[in-house]
Amino acid sequence: QVQLQQSGPGLVRPSQTLSLTCAISGDTVSSNTVAWNWIRQSPSRGLEWLGRTYYRSKWYNDYAVSVKSRITINPDTSKNQFSLQLSSVTPEDTAVYYCAREGAYGDYPNWGQGTLVIVSS
Amino acid sequence: DIVMTQTPVSSSVTVGQPASISCRSSQSLVHSDGHTYLSWLQQRPGQPPRLLIYKVSNRFSGVPDRFSGSGAGTDFTLKISRVEAEDVGVYYCMQATHFPVYTFGQGTKLEIK
Repeated sequence: QVQLQQSGPGLVRPSQTLSLTCAISGDTVSSNTVAWNWIRQSPSRGLEWLGRTYYRSKWYNDYAVSVKSRITINPDTSKNQFSLQLSSVTPEDTAVYYCAREGAYGDYPNWGQGTLVIVSS
Repeated sequence: DIVMTQTPVSSSVTVGQPASISCRSSQSLVHSDGHTYLSWLQQRPGQPPRLLIYKVSNRFSGVPDRFSGSGAGTDFTLKISRVEAEDVGVYYCMQATHFPVYTFGQGTKLEIK
């Protein structure tokens, strides 16, 4: 059974970098059949896909246009986890952030527990 | 980006009665490979979303058979044949056909009358 465990700070100062980690159990980050995603949810924007990383003989990343200049998603094979970094945050980046495992059909069968990140001074 | 529009925004249903949620996309969700990557998710209060249906009509493992999905092209429906109290929450459709952006509907809140 796949489980995703998120960690990271719940408060980030404006202009700083938001950093979250998603630890994987029951699967491997370097699996060549799934992808590892970050999604956020806020009252104003609803559910918003941010990006993903996946391995298909080499590593690939895809990012949403809305955050492309500020986002980095990295796999960590030694710890079997992946991370999200979002730079230059503003209060508009306040949201619950989720990591999610993407299956073969663009579906999300597994989610992390969610992390509320508040951007405030 | 593809816009996913759900109706109704909220629904109040008596236990044991059916419920139906509609999802319309701004473009056809038929992928070039012939498949349609439309999913339905349920989010109970205080929890992450949970996958119910993938590829329009495929029920995910462990999902009760009172949940069913249908549709094609731009119009899709999630039906609950007999609503139970545990079905309270917000339901989302999501498209994964038009990459590089996956998009979600705005959600439909299901309440018990």
